Amino acid sequence: AQKVTQAQTEISVVEKEDVTLDCVYETRDTTYYLFWYKQPPSGELVFLIRRNSFDEQNEISGRYSWNFQKSTSSFNFTITASQVVDSAVYFCALSEGGKLIFGQGTELSVKP
Amino acid sequence: EPEVTQTPSHQVTQMGQEVILRCVPISNHLYFYWYRQILGQKVEFLVSFYNNEISEKSEIFDDQFSVERPDGSNFTLKIRSTKLEDSAMYFCASSTRDPPRKNIQYFGAGTRLSVL
Repeated sequence: AQKVTQAQTEISVVEKEDVTLDCVYETRDTTYYLFWYKQPPSGELVFLIRRNSFDEQNEISGRYSWNFQKSTSSFNFTITASQVVDSAVYFCALSEGGKLIFGQGTELSVKP
Repeated sequence: EPEVTQTPSHQVTQMGQEVILRCVPISNHLYFYWYRQILGQKVEFLVSFYNNEISEKSEIFDDQFSVERPDGSNFTLKIRSTKLEDSAMYFCASSTRDPPRKNIQYFGAGTRLSVL
């Protein structure tokens, strides 16, 4: 069965620190998509990134970067120079057919 | 930026009552989903819907649940007889198969359902 594991339940950092959120997944599919979503305190789910299983290039978007390693089934997310506005719960997700399978989420707290 | 809208934002109901949660997906999307998130837990898939029928449903989505696309814009989730354990945040999502946003599910802000 497909599964997503986010082992870090909570992370607390001080503003301007770099932080990496871990995500490990299990799937038997050869083609799949991985996602990261952000859930700020207001509760909505905000799409951050989608990665196709065939594309192992790392991606950078401003202060955000993602490291996809198929060999270790990991899709980690790094925030550089964290800010208070980054405080949220971050979910990693794997597509199975049409549906998304979410990890448990990592609650990131960035303190000033 | 087009978005998924959900109403109401908060619904309070008595146990045993029927509730209907409403969603307006992004206009050119054809794939629709409902998920739920019990407080403090992960987001769980309920059902997917395409071409006016259910594509897939989870074990949670039992006979008490139903979905409908009553017109060209709305997508609803009905719970026939609510239980205390149905209290959760319910998210609607939609997606397209067209690039460049293929298979990206965009979520609404959610409806918080409180069953008393």
